[in-house]
Amino acid sequence: EIVLTQSPGTLSLSPGERGTLSCRASQSVDSSYLAWFQQKPGQAPRLLIYGASTRATGIPDRFSGSGSETDFTLTISRLEPEDFAVYYCQQYGTSPITFGQGTRLEIK
Amino acid sequence: EVQLVESGGGLVQPGGSLRLSCAASGFTFSGYKMSWVRQAPGKGLERVATITDTGGATSYADSVKGRFTISRDNSKNTLYLQMNSLRAEDTAVYYCASGGTAVIFDYWGQGTLVTVSP
Repeated sequence: EIVLTQSPGTLSLSPGERGTLSCRASQSVDSSYLAWFQQKPGQAPRLLIYGASTRATGIPDRFSGSGSETDFTLTISRLEPEDFAVYYCQQYGTSPITFGQGTRLEIK
Repeated sequence: EVQLVESGGGLVQPGGSLRLSCAASGFTFSGYKMSWVRQAPGKGLERVATITDTGGATSYADSVKGRFTISRDNSKNTLYLQMNSLRAEDTAVYYCASGGTAVIFDYWGQGTLVTVSP
């Protein structure tokens, strides 16, 4: 099983700042089948990024993904108030599909 | 508009059974792998089970293998999760989602809460 470790656990930033979230895999992720999700309280997860760097439909371009093999990053260039939420990475290239434990992005 | 609507959650005693349903609309359900993902209270996401577009193959998390069964009826655009021998640790919100191995999880339902308690 591929274990995904996200860091930091909590990130405290102000609106307008840049946010950088990390996801490290215990082994290489197949063909960059790496996704990022945003989840707000009481809501289902929302797909932001797939294939490590492709934005999903309707996702603002302030969200970007990068990385390969075992190290991946989600960057939010300028934080908007609605971006404060929990973010999960997921690998979907190798069974079993696994998620990271999440990074909580909170307002400083 | 794509919609996934889960139903069937509720309170059940340990050792009991429950069947979840997920009604799909707004996309070609029969062309998609589908999965169930759960989230225990205050915890992260766990993929529970996945089924191929035809229903010909399934896969499960080790934590539910032998107790849960995923199935689908493409004529009714509906996904199911039969949950038997339920345990307290199965308490979670259960989401249905389109996606599976090598297929992105792009559509999600709103979730249904399953509580396993005496």
